[in-house]
Amino acid sequence: AQSVTQLGSHVSVSEGALVLLRCNYSSSVPPYLFWYVQYPNQGLQLLLKYTSAATLVKGINGFEAEFKKSETSFHLTKPSAHMSDAAEYFCAVSDRRGYGGSQGNLIFGKGTKLSVKP
Amino acid sequence: ETGVTQTPRHLVMGMTNKKSLKCEQHLGHNAMYWYKQSAKKPLELMFVYNFKEQTENNSVPSRFSPECPNSSHLFLHLHTLQPEDSALYLCASSQDSRDTQYFGPGTRLTVL
Repeated sequence: AQSVTQLGSHVSVSEGALVLLRCNYSSSVPPYLFWYVQYPNQGLQLLLKYTSAATLVKGINGFEAEFKKSETSFHLTKPSAHMSDAAEYFCAVSDRRGYGGSQGNLIFGKGTKLSVKP
Repeated sequence: ETGVTQTPRHLVMGMTNKKSLKCEQHLGHNAMYWYKQSAKKPLELMFVYNFKEQTENNSVPSRFSPECPNSSHLFLHLHTLQPEDSALYLCASSQDSRDTQYFGPGTRLTVL
């Protein structure tokens, strides 16, 4: 069975500071990994995804994440936080086994709310 | 209209009411999903449709009834809901069941 653990339900940083949101996964097969962002009163928007190509993945809005198999981690980082980054961030894993049935479904973490202080 | 749209955005209903949530995707995708997002809980996958066929029912109570008349539209029919069913219901679509999912803005449901 797959699972995702996001460490810290709330993270607060100052504007211009490094953003680090932690995600650890458990999967019995090589996973696909995703980070989504949710702004207030909106749906989820894909930030980036890892699909077994380069281990360092660059996404939108200056975010990137590194897949570390030995640590079963996929932490999200941004060098310099902006006020507009305040949102809730979700890490997700997919088993990408194949078509149909329950293959390829996303398992989400509980989310981390990011606050950015001026 | 582009992407994934959901209507209504907000819905308040009593426990004896019948209502429906609608999702429409304009991306040419073949797979559609319903998720439930409750406070302090991870997103829960409810149903998956692939090429209009239901391929996943994640032990959802029968008071939730999905309908997928074609690859672009997905409905969630609601009947005799409970207050604990109050949540944000999100629809998503993807090219196929392995591909990246794109989400709609959600319907905020309150059951009184």
